[in-house]
Amino acid sequence: DAKTTQPPSMDCAEGRAANLPCNHSTISGNEYVYWYRQIHSQGPQYIIHGLKNNETNEMASLIITEDRKSSTLILPHATLRDTAVYYCIVRVAHNNNDMRFGAGTRLTVKP
Amino acid sequence: DTGVSQDPRHKITKRGQNVTFRCDPISEHNRLYWYRQTLGQGPEFLTYFQNEAQLEKSRLLSDRFSAERPKGSFSTLEIQRTEQGDSAMYLCASIYPGNRVNTGELFFGEGSRLTVL
Repeated sequence: DAKTTQPPSMDCAEGRAANLPCNHSTISGNEYVYWYRQIHSQGPQYIIHGLKNNETNEMASLIITEDRKSSTLILPHATLRDTAVYYCIVRVAHNNNDMRFGAGTRLTVKP
Repeated sequence: DTGVSQDPRHKITKRGQNVTFRCDPISEHNRLYWYRQTLGQGPEFLTYFQNEAQLEKSRLLSDRFSAERPKGSFSTLEIQRTEQGDSAMYLCASIYPGNRVNTGELFFGEGSRLTVL
């Protein structure tokens, strides 16, 4: 599976959009981009995933560049509860293998 | 609450003792994963089961570690002769069968934190 690069930390003001970048320049054509987050003292939580097209759900939006070498997770109106570590992962969807987590981005939402 | 239960949530033990963690996945989830997470790092894959079959083990899973899922439902992770380096959060995750298997939507428990003195 391809590796990802994320900034170690970011801050965001409450109520503003949080834009979390991820670079995955070696992504293969059959690899999806996944985002999880982990709030302190809890297990990771699935947020969203995509292949080529932009995706949106009740939690977030995922914007994938046309060359698929990078993506951005957008939390449209960040709240204090969104303070967490956010993990960007690329993985072949049909792979029976594990979901490989990096160190992620620690997002701090400030009042 | 994701529906994946782990027990105990916290365990403090002395070096050399054996410890066992239990994971109860969401019912009907046929795939179950174990991860280990140390402070400041993302979760690291240890092993996974498809029903009762253990299909893959990471090289992180030394001979002192053993995992079972005897009836394809709950799973246990045992660490024998614990070492201080085993101190970590041990996370269990399960995944919904069918198409969801291919979407990567793992459901994690809240983990079992091990401290080895």
